[in-house]
Amino acid sequence: NAGVTQTPKFRVLKTGQSMTLLCAQDMNHEYMYWYRQDPGMGLRLIHYSVGEGTTAKGEVPDGYNVSRLKKQNFLLGLESAAPSQTSVYFCASSRPRGVWEQFFGPGTRLTVL
Amino acid sequence: KQEVTQIPAALSVPEGENLVLNCSFTDSAIYNLQWFRQDPGKGLTSLLLIQSSQREQTSGRLNASLDKSSGRSTLYIAASQPGDSATYLCAVRWTGFQKLVFGTGTRLLVSP
Repeated sequence: NAGVTQTPKFRVLKTGQSMTLLCAQDMNHEYMYWYRQDPGMGLRLIHYSVGEGTTAKGEVPDGYNVSRLKKQNFLLGLESAAPSQTSVYFCASSRPRGVWEQFFGPGTRLTVL
Repeated sequence: KQEVTQIPAALSVPEGENLVLNCSFTDSAIYNLQWFRQDPGKGLTSLLLIQSSQREQTSGRLNASLDKSSGRSTLYIAASQPGDSATYLCAVRWTGFQKLVFGTGTRLLVSP
């Protein structure tokens, strides 16, 4: 099993450009999450999904959109990138039963100039 | 408000020392607590997960304890090695909530 994978690993954007980050998991998990990690701020939840076709806002959703068209994929979109969105983005997934352990992808490092 | 705090923010120890990392949380109604390790420029690796009903979990040289009544968890690392150098993150899932709340981590440096 590959676990949680993220594409791309690195990206540099100019202010105002758009892009989509892809997260995929092969563990058949219902829940998926997008976080951003900034120095001194820890991990903050952007959006999450509790199942195919559903999404919900986290702590810091402004400037981002998400979609969960397939159970195994969770997309994070930036419509008009801003320098404040320079960060490392992590995707995670979990099964909301029993142990309910959360598994993380390797991250995407995004720089907005 | 549900918050997770980790103190100290950074810790430096010589190789071979036993050490304890601290995690405190508001509200004792937790579902579980998870300890992660993060190497520079890398993702998060799950180390130990303690369910609400458990008092501790062990994996090799690592032992995590949970005291819900005092709102604390500790991660004990025995006989530390330079390879243990990383940032250690604590995260709590409260009962009835779908999300993990993270502390800001403790950056550990183990010197040879």
